[in-house]
Amino acid sequence: EAGVVQSPRYKIIEKKQPVAFWCNPISGHNTLYWYRQNLGQGPELLIRYENEEAVDDSQLPKDRFSAERLKGVDSTLKIQPAELGDSAVYLCASSPGGRALNEQFFGPGTRLTVL
Amino acid sequence: RKEVEQDPGPFNVPEGATVAFNCTYSNSASQSFFWYRQDCRKEPKLLMSVYSSGNEDGRFTAQLNRASQYISLLIRDSKLSDSATYLCVVTTGRRALTFGSGTRLQVQP
Repeated sequence: EAGVVQSPRYKIIEKKQPVAFWCNPISGHNTLYWYRQNLGQGPELLIRYENEEAVDDSQLPKDRFSAERLKGVDSTLKIQPAELGDSAVYLCASSPGGRALNEQFFGPGTRLTVL
Repeated sequence: RKEVEQDPGPFNVPEGATVAFNCTYSNSASQSFFWYRQDCRKEPKLLMSVYSSGNEDGRFTAQLNRASQYISLLIRDSKLSDSATYLCVVTTGRRALTFGSGTRLQVQP
């Protein structure tokens, strides 16, 4: 079974530039998450989707971050403009929901470096 | 205060040793508890769930103490391949997972 797919794996940009990350969850998984992980820290939730609805985006910095999950499958996370402090690994995860809500499967992440 | 706190380590132990990690959580309404494992520059992966009655999976034993709001992970007969960061994870209701910062384990030959 294919896992969570993310692209790109690495991205280097200059500050003030826009950047976008893409995630394809495991087939059949209704719940999709975006996390940010800074060096030496655990992942921190940015946004959670149930199908195409964002049900928890309280931690998403909405002045510069946006996300969408059209048709309830793939998702895109965008930063515009990027700041130096946005350098981190951006992880996408999915889960089947229901009783297995809390078992999440993570993608390999996108490592963002902002110069 | 962080919602989930862990000793960052590193814990340096010889092969075959027994090692234990603790984790404390601040929200008494937390309902589900997990240990995830994260290898260097890799994504986190579920190691095991943690139940009130305690549970064991091979060399790994997890315990939950709701009264004191802490979770533990015991690894017996440590292997070199156990070297990783162990993330304590807590959920409240249908919220997403809240991760601790992780405890790094280095098993040495």
